Amino acid sequence: AQRVTQPEKLLSVFKGAPVELKCNYSYSGSPELFWYVQYSRQRLQLLLRHISRESIKGFTADLNKGETSFHLKKPFAQEEDSAMYYCAPGGNQFYFGTGTSLTVIP
Amino acid sequence: NAGVMQNPRHLVRRRGQEARLRCSPMKGHSHVYWYRQLPEEGLKFMVYLQKENIIDESGMPKERFSAEFPKEGPSILRIQQVVRGDSAAYFCASSRRNEKLFFGSGTQLSVL
Repeated sequence: AQRVTQPEKLLSVFKGAPVELKCNYSYSGSPELFWYVQYSRQRLQLLLRHISRESIKGFTADLNKGETSFHLKKPFAQEEDSAMYYCAPGGNQFYFGTGTSLTVIP
Repeated sequence: NAGVMQNPRHLVRRRGQEARLRCSPMKGHSHVYWYRQLPEEGLKFMVYLQKENIIDESGMPKERFSAEFPKEGPSILRIQQVVRGDSAAYFCASSRRNEKLFFGSGTQLSVL
């Protein structure tokens, strides 16, 4: 099964600072990876999907096959980015990472 | 399309009772996933179902927990003889094949 690891359970950054949420995957082949976000009191929702290569709310994520990583990045964090972020592999087996709780300090 | 509907939103049970959590997937979605989110913890996969079939239940506790997704009607996550440790938020998600997940609002189970 496709698996991902999110090494940071908690991450705090100051508003305006760059932010990077780490995600590593541990399988070969062509991975399909997603980032989901859960804002306070809201349901989980898709943030971005690597094959679309788009930027959502200023976030981007690049698949690095050499490092087997799919880190989520944003150059300037905003307070409204505070949320729980989950990395997840695609296919039919969505074993989510353990999640990273991001707090953006005003 | 009303989205993924879960009910009830909140469920209170006493130890030893049964809990039934329902999930109606989005229209056209035949894949359903159940997750558990414990306080201060992340999202843990429990089970993946397609219509009338359990595809992957590797995240389900071996005892007391069961899930079904019948041909007609919602998917049901059933917890028998609940214990305090079962208290958690239970999320359901649905998708088409190999597509992104759409999540429900969750059921908060509290065991007294």
